[in-house]
Amino acid sequence: AQKITQTQPGMFVQEKEAVTLDCTYDTSDQSYGLFWYKQPSSGEMIFLIYQGSYDEQNATEGRYSLNFQKARKSANLVISASQLGDSAMYFCAMREGKLTFGKGITLSVRP
Amino acid sequence: DAGVIQSPRHEVTEMGQEVTLRCKPISGHNSLFWYRQTMMRGLELLIYFNNNVPIDDSGMPEDRFSAKMPNASFSTLKIQPSEPRDSAVYFCASSPGTGPYYGYTFGSGTRLTVV
Repeated sequence: AQKITQTQPGMFVQEKEAVTLDCTYDTSDQSYGLFWYKQPSSGEMIFLIYQGSYDEQNATEGRYSLNFQKARKSANLVISASQLGDSAMYFCAMREGKLTFGKGITLSVRP
Repeated sequence: DAGVIQSPRHEVTEMGQEVTLRCKPISGHNSLFWYRQTMMRGLELLIYFNNNVPIDDSGMPEDRFSAKMPNASFSTLKIQPSEPRDSAVYFCASSPGTGPYYGYTFGSGTRLTVV
């Protein structure tokens, strides 16, 4: 069974606008961590933001925020004020014991 | 902090040859992971180590793949013999802990092409 689901097709956003990248997850554990990584065309995996399952407040890191809805098992990434450099593949991941990744979403920022 | 260091960055080899990928985790990180990324299958966990001991190798595709971690600062992933379908980007990652609240730091990856 797929544990991390990212079903959006390629996403497009206008520069300076906000965009939401969807992620749903499946687990029966009470303790888990949710992560988002960015993979630009250069190929490296860059950590963006983390949310613990017991955290009551949504995580924020600069222009990134995580919209965590535990009951719905969703952990959407919100990027505010998009920049051209945000064009990349974005992966949602969940760690129970090991880190499991979704298939990723391609984001393209238009000038 | 130099980050996770992988070598080589690129490797092109002929089918049937042995390939060895190398990884140096971040000092003090006690967990190390090997992932493979392809267009078809996305990011797959191959194997992970905790305190140099292999914990889960269920993702290793077949016996041609082997991984070792002889000490806390070095790990290898070996493919022998290599096949064209092994062509992928191989990432090494390390983590300071095993709990769900510890993230991973990834290396830059090794792009392997088997011709």
